[in-house]
Amino acid sequence: NAGVTQTPKFQVLKTGQSMTLQCAQDMNHNSMYWYRQDPGMGLRLIYYSASEGTTDKGEVPNGYNVSRLNKREFSLRLESAAPSQTSVYFCASSLSFLPGYGYTFGSGTRLTVV
Amino acid sequence: GQQLNQSPQSMFIQEGEDVSMNCTSSSIFNTWLWYKQDPGEGPVLLIALYKAGELTSNGRLTAQFGITRKDSFLNISASIPSDVGIYFCAGQQSYGGATNKLIFGTGTLLAVQP
Repeated sequence: NAGVTQTPKFQVLKTGQSMTLQCAQDMNHNSMYWYRQDPGMGLRLIYYSASEGTTDKGEVPNGYNVSRLNKREFSLRLESAAPSQTSVYFCASSLSFLPGYGYTFGSGTRLTVV
Repeated sequence: GQQLNQSPQSMFIQEGEDVSMNCTSSSIFNTWLWYKQDPGEGPVLLIALYKAGELTSNGRLTAQFGITRKDSFLNISASIPSDVGIYFCAGQQSYGGATNKLIFGTGTLLAVQP
């Protein structure tokens, strides 16, 4: 019952460093998503992948890139980290990109950029 | 970006009390979902609503899809300490083609005193 697995759980970066957040799901879901959560702002969509081989920008894509490596894995890369990217990052997946399918979330990656 | 207005922002109640929270938008949604986030974890789906006017229950939780399709409500009856967490509403829209992007509310923090 792994569901959606995110690594690492915690990370501290210096400004300008790069890193990749990993996400994998074992539910054979077609669609995957990356969100960031900031106090008082709820969850905001960074990038999503409706199906294997496709990726699209969400609400706040600047400073990020993504790769849908295969059906299971969807990674988020910060090329040059900035303090404004300090946040909690959540990966999610859903069976379909059609309306009405709820998401399954991972437990998050807490990132601090100093 | 589009936002859902969720209220109240926080609630501090005694065990056994009933809780009500709501979510409003200036736009119409086709699906409303309610999630709960425990500390240090990702959001977990509680209830999904698919039709205007729909009333759905999940144990002590009851949610309604507003008739105007611009709002939704969540009620928790006879609260218990494990109800503590952040509750998020989320809405989905579709415009002709399929879309599953969720727009999240800013969350309601619920604290329950034994």
